[in-house]
Amino acid sequence: KAGVTQTPRYLIKTRGQQVTLSCSPISGHRSVSWYQQTPGQGLQFLFEYFSETQRNKGNFPGRFSGRQFSNSRSEMNVSTLELGDSALYLCASSWAVYNEQFFGPGTRLTVL
Amino acid sequence: DAKTTQPPSMDCAEGRAANLPCNHSTISGNEYVYWYRQIHSQGPQYIIHGLKNNETNEMASLIITEDRKSSTLILPHATLRDTAVYYCIAKDNNQGAQKLVFGQGTRLTINP
Repeated sequence: KAGVTQTPRYLIKTRGQQVTLSCSPISGHRSVSWYQQTPGQGLQFLFEYFSETQRNKGNFPGRFSGRQFSNSRSEMNVSTLELGDSALYLCASSWAVYNEQFFGPGTRLTVL
Repeated sequence: DAKTTQPPSMDCAEGRAANLPCNHSTISGNEYVYWYRQIHSQGPQYIIHGLKNNETNEMASLIITEDRKSSTLILPHATLRDTAVYYCIAKDNNQGAQKLVFGQGTRLTINP
């Protein structure tokens, strides 16, 4: 069974631009969560989607948004990029809330 | 979710058992103890989880004290590939959400 895939793997943007990251969960998984990892703040929860509905949201500004499609694929968008948004963005999927999460390899975003 | 406390770093010789402690003195009755690890620049990998009974799988064993205030992850025969940051997380699976709250973890170094 294929794992969680994230595209693109690497991305370079400039301040003020916007970016969209994509995540394809493991087949059959309906829950998709997003995390941001930086050297200073560590791994922080962004949001979670289940059956196309945002079920939980972390403490991030409104510039960070996401959505989930009917096939469970998910995208996250960051508008008006800031230097501090440079990070590894990780996506994780699971079958249900009580199951373990499987993480993708991440998208490394660099904002110049 | 309860806060967990882990030592920032540990060393272990290759072939020996690696015992990683975690304190979660404020854990509630509904919170499970999850362990994930992250090898440099990769997405976190699920290892094991438990509620009150000891658990074992092909990767590791999880020992939870009777009062559930602490736990130990045991890698029975550590290899160089087990060098990673290990995260202990307390998560309430009854909250209907998949949010994982990561701390700083323990950086485990396996020495040849």
